Amino acid sequence: EVQLVESGGGLVQPGGSLRLSCAASGFMFSSYEMNWVRQAPGKGLEWISYISASGSTVYYADSVKGRFTFSRDNAKNSLYLHLSSLRAEDTAVYYCARKLRARFDYWGQGTLVTVSS
Amino acid sequence: DIQMTQSPSSLSASVGDRITITCRASQTISTYLNWYQQKPGKAPKLLIFAASSLQSGVPSTFSGSASGTDFTLTISSLQPEDFATYYCQQTYLFPYTFGQGTKLEIK
Repeated sequence: EVQLVESGGGLVQPGGSLRLSCAASGFMFSSYEMNWVRQAPGKGLEWISYISASGSTVYYADSVKGRFTFSRDNAKNSLYLHLSSLRAEDTAVYYCARKLRARFDYWGQGTLVTVSS
Repeated sequence: DIQMTQSPSSLSASVGDRITITCRASQTISTYLNWYQQKPGKAPKLLIFAASSLQSGVPSTFSGSASGTDFTLTISSLQPEDFATYYCQQTYLFPYTFGQGTKLEIK
């Protein structure tokens, strides 16, 4: 059974940093491209980052470029999203999602990041 | 960036109704269009991929179609569990973008 489990969310002050993790199981993790999508409270879905299967290619939304870093460890079946210079508008539930061809077929349950003083 | 304009933003309907949600892309995206369902407090769930392909396990009451840059999600006969928010998504070009969502409510 495919499972994606995010962790690492919490309350952080503006300007602070946080590292989110996504633990994958039930599939050949190293063969799949992965993504992060976030959802601010009461708002819609926003794609924020992509990583290739090998980790050699990463793309970001303009809203997080230069502040967030997406990486993966295929030996540990894990994704990491390092969030820095956090702003109030980064408050959201962060989901990791598996990309199969051109669709996001499996999603984690999400982890909440709250940026507030 | 490719803009995805979804309509309506909300919809009120009854069990058994047929409903259609539309998504318009600001430029060509071929058929790189997916539809997701999201219930409160839950992760999105893939319903339709490549504009018209039904994801495994999704009821056949759901269908998708495409005409140029216009895409539609149709639910042929609403069931109580279908009341949720629906999003379209393009994966033709980065940045991937979602429509703003359609909240489907019980009339």
